[in-house]
Amino acid sequence: DAKTTQPTSMDCAEGRAANLPCNHSTISGNEYVYWYRQIHSQGPQYIIHGLKNNETNEMASLIITEDRKSSTLILPHATLRDTAVYYCILTSGTYKYIFGTGTRLKVLA
Amino acid sequence: GAVVSQHPSRVICKSGTSVKIECRSLDFQATTMFWYRQFPKQSLMLMATSNEGSKATYEQGVEKDKFLINHASLTLSTLTVTSAHPEDSSFYICSALDRDQPQHFGDGTRLSIL
Repeated sequence: DAKTTQPTSMDCAEGRAANLPCNHSTISGNEYVYWYRQIHSQGPQYIIHGLKNNETNEMASLIITEDRKSSTLILPHATLRDTAVYYCILTSGTYKYIFGTGTRLKVLA
Repeated sequence: GAVVSQHPSRVICKSGTSVKIECRSLDFQATTMFWYRQFPKQSLMLMATSNEGSKATYEQGVEKDKFLINHASLTLSTLTVTSAHPEDSSFYICSALDRDQPQHFGDGTRLSIL
């Protein structure tokens, strides 16, 4: 079973920030938090990952709480092309990804 | 960036035939590749882990004689669905691991068994 819990769906207005939460209360000390998204009928696309520090790249920001039991993916200015299912995944040395149900983000014009 | 190519993208075949799906890492060597399947409106389910030069490791409930995996080189892994039946119809996705980098996914193969 997946070790993460995400809301089933969210809506976001185009141009606004999309904040996608993920709970991972049983995370281990050596587990990273990875975020991917899947646009319909395509393979998942890597977005960002982190261990305990907040991270930012050209696509998004990742905020991890101090106790590491939850995190938030932030898309700063959502566009229609960001409509997708977003997955939060924990992984360690085995590199295996166990996908949860993800959050279906719909960006509204 | 790293690219993983999957072929074919779509295949339709008759019940009872075997189907081979290829997964290639185009610009890096992948010591480990993974195979997933995804049913409509569901999440990805890990089927097996494929290591170059060794036998694949299958997840619980996945029949290794049904889903044959071969990882003969550092850039190619194949999944063969043997004696496919309609219940095997699904979206099959591979991913490749480049050392400590995030997994890179192919664009999937939609398999339809008539």
